[in-house]
Amino acid sequence: GAVVSQHPSWVICKSGTSVKIECRSLDFQATTMFWYRQFPKQSLMLMATSNEGSKATYEQGVEKDKFLINHASLTLSTLTVTSAHPEDSSFYICSAVGASGRAGTDTQYFGPGTRLTVL
Amino acid sequence: GEDVEQSLFLSVREGDSSVINCTYTDSSSTYLYWYKQEPGAGLQLLTYIFSNMDMKQDQRLTVLLNKKDKHLSLRIADTQTGDSAIYFCAPGRGATNKLIFGTGTLLAVQP
Repeated sequence: GAVVSQHPSWVICKSGTSVKIECRSLDFQATTMFWYRQFPKQSLMLMATSNEGSKATYEQGVEKDKFLINHASLTLSTLTVTSAHPEDSSFYICSAVGASGRAGTDTQYFGPGTRLTVL
Repeated sequence: GEDVEQSLFLSVREGDSSVINCTYTDSSSTYLYWYKQEPGAGLQLLTYIFSNMDMKQDQRLTVLLNKKDKHLSLRIADTQTGDSAIYFCAPGRGATNKLIFGTGTLLAVQP
């Protein structure tokens, strides 16, 4: 149980285009999802917290107009990188938190990540 | 803000025990997690410990928590080559249990 998927697993796009990344909780409902980015050989940096049916909460320094987050259902959150530039190239990882009662209440289960390369 | 520090690299021989250490600054964490990341992959939850516990054992994994010193460790017994990966310490914080990730420790297991 507690499987989280991401789609696509990798994407290459031209500078100036927008890219949408999906995060799905496959076997549980996720009230909260988190979006992270990870640069090579570095740790994960939290970008935003996404709650179903409400606006995302962005971390300091993360541009909300550039990284659009939509959490339309309890199993799906999307991250859209708008007008992507080469410096947006990174590994984007989402996580999902299930309802209370699961082992380690509020435990985050991570997706496999999406590697974005902007040319 | 919160700082979570880990040593960057650890090399052990297959069959030995590995101990990965983590220090953190925010004492309000309720749960503290260890995650494993293999190359090019997402994070796999290994284990976690509740803040009122000193130790938790889960098969080959033992987590020790010293709240006074804000020190967390992960011991892997009988380390195997398949354990080679990056290990992240991640204390949870706040009402949403937001995770603050450590720098990660690359564990290299020599056959």
